[in-house]
Amino acid sequence: DGGITQSPKYLFRKEGQNVTLSCEQNLNHDAMYWYRQDPGQGLRLIYYSQIVNDFQKGDIAEGYSVSREKKESFPLTVTSAQKNPTAFYLCASNARQTAGYTFGSGTRLTVV
Amino acid sequence: AQSVSQHNHHVILSEAASLELGCNYSYGGTVNLFWYVQYPGQHLQLLLKYFSGDPLVKGIKGFEAEFIKSKFSFNLRKPSVQWSDTAEYFCAVGTNAGNMLTFGGGTRLMVKP
Repeated sequence: DGGITQSPKYLFRKEGQNVTLSCEQNLNHDAMYWYRQDPGQGLRLIYYSQIVNDFQKGDIAEGYSVSREKKESFPLTVTSAQKNPTAFYLCASNARQTAGYTFGSGTRLTVV
Repeated sequence: AQSVSQHNHHVILSEAASLELGCNYSYGGTVNLFWYVQYPGQHLQLLLKYFSGDPLVKGIKGFEAEFIKSKFSFNLRKPSVQWSDTAEYFCAVGTNAGNMLTFGGGTRLMVKP
């Protein structure tokens, strides 16, 4: 079955360390997105990519970086510059807007 | 840029009560509208969507939503909720500017058995 795979499901990081969250899709979708979900704040867009080798900052891109070298993969790096990285991170993709998004199951990052 | 407002952050209902969750958006052009649901411990799933045609849209599990263009609204309704409807619900809007959706802040629904 086609879908989006996010790994790992849970991740612990020490302060000052960079960490990379994986997002892979086999849906042949052009567009991919990273959101951060915090209690009471809904989904906030970090980065998005509409096509391979191109990506754009979202509303809260500071302290994060991404790459899109392959259509299937859109990894997110949480850098040490991110002031409050503990959160639930969601990856999504779509082929066209009217179809809506397909979401991954998320990665819960905790900084210790 | 468009924005999406969900007025109720937390809703508590008893089983069999009727549900209406509000969603308003700000965008003057053509929109595509979505409701997503996130059950505890699960990923977000599409509940229903509207992009043209009949403004009353029926989704899964007995949910429906009505697009009222004059009010910029897309409220979610269910005549009789069940305990299993306990979840967080997100409204989302897309425009003809691209594939990206803008999400509301979410509404946490708790249904008491």
